[in-house]
Amino acid sequence: GAVVSQHPSWVICKSGTSVKIECRSLDFQATTMFWYRQFPKQSLMLMATSNEGSKATYEQGVEKDKFLINHASLTLSTLTVTSAHPEDSSFYICSALTPGFSFYGYTFGSGTRLTVV
Amino acid sequence: RKEVEQDPGPFNVPEGATVAFNCTYSNSASQSFFWYRQDCRKEPKLLMSVYSSGNEDGRFTAQLNRASQYISLLIRDSKLSDSATYLCVVNMKGGSQGNLIFGKGTKLSVKP
Repeated sequence: GAVVSQHPSWVICKSGTSVKIECRSLDFQATTMFWYRQFPKQSLMLMATSNEGSKATYEQGVEKDKFLINHASLTLSTLTVTSAHPEDSSFYICSALTPGFSFYGYTFGSGTRLTVV
Repeated sequence: RKEVEQDPGPFNVPEGATVAFNCTYSNSASQSFFWYRQDCRKEPKLLMSVYSSGNEDGRFTAQLNRASQYISLLIRDSKLSDSATYLCVVNMKGGSQGNLIFGKGTKLSVKP
C-alpha cells in the first residue's frame, strides 16, 4: 500500500530558529498533500493544502510567512516552521491523497513532534 | 459550534465490555464519514468508513444518521488492544477529495 515517510519524528529546537519537516511519498505520486497540527488533547487542525507545482492554500489564521510549504515535486512536500517559538510546539502531520490505492485514500505520515525551547 | 463534536471521555471499561461512542457534525452538506483510531503520539489510522445503511467490521459497528447529523461507533467484546483515542472524521466531499475534518477524539481505556 501507499506509504508516506515523514521526518524527523521529533525535534527540539531553540526559540528563533527554523525547522524543516519532510514528507515523502515512497511508492506513489502525491499530487495533493495536507498539513495538520495537533495540540495536546485537541483535534487535528488543517493548516494548509499543497498541490504539486503551485502555491499552498492556507487555512484562516495560519501565517503563510511563518509556515512555509514547498511541494516542488510529486514525491516531496516540506513544511518549514520559521522563527519558531514555544507556542509552535505541537505535533505536525502530513497526509497525502492516494485515491489509486483505496476509495478513501488518505495516507498519513507518522508525524513530527516539535518542541521549541 | 465546532464542526465535529465528540465526548472526550475517557471511557474506562473492562475487557469484554461493549462501548459506544457518539459524534455530531454541524455541516449538513458533509458527504463522507469515518472513524479513525489514534494511538498516543502516533498518526491516525482509518478504522472504518461510515455509511447511511450502517456497516459492520468484526466487533465494530458504525452508524450514520444524516437527518440528526449523528455518527456512532459500537465496539463489542472490547480487547486491551482497543485502548486508543477514536476520532470522528467528516469530509465535505465524497471519496478521495477535499480535506478531512477531525473531532477531538474519545479516549478509550480497556482494563483487564
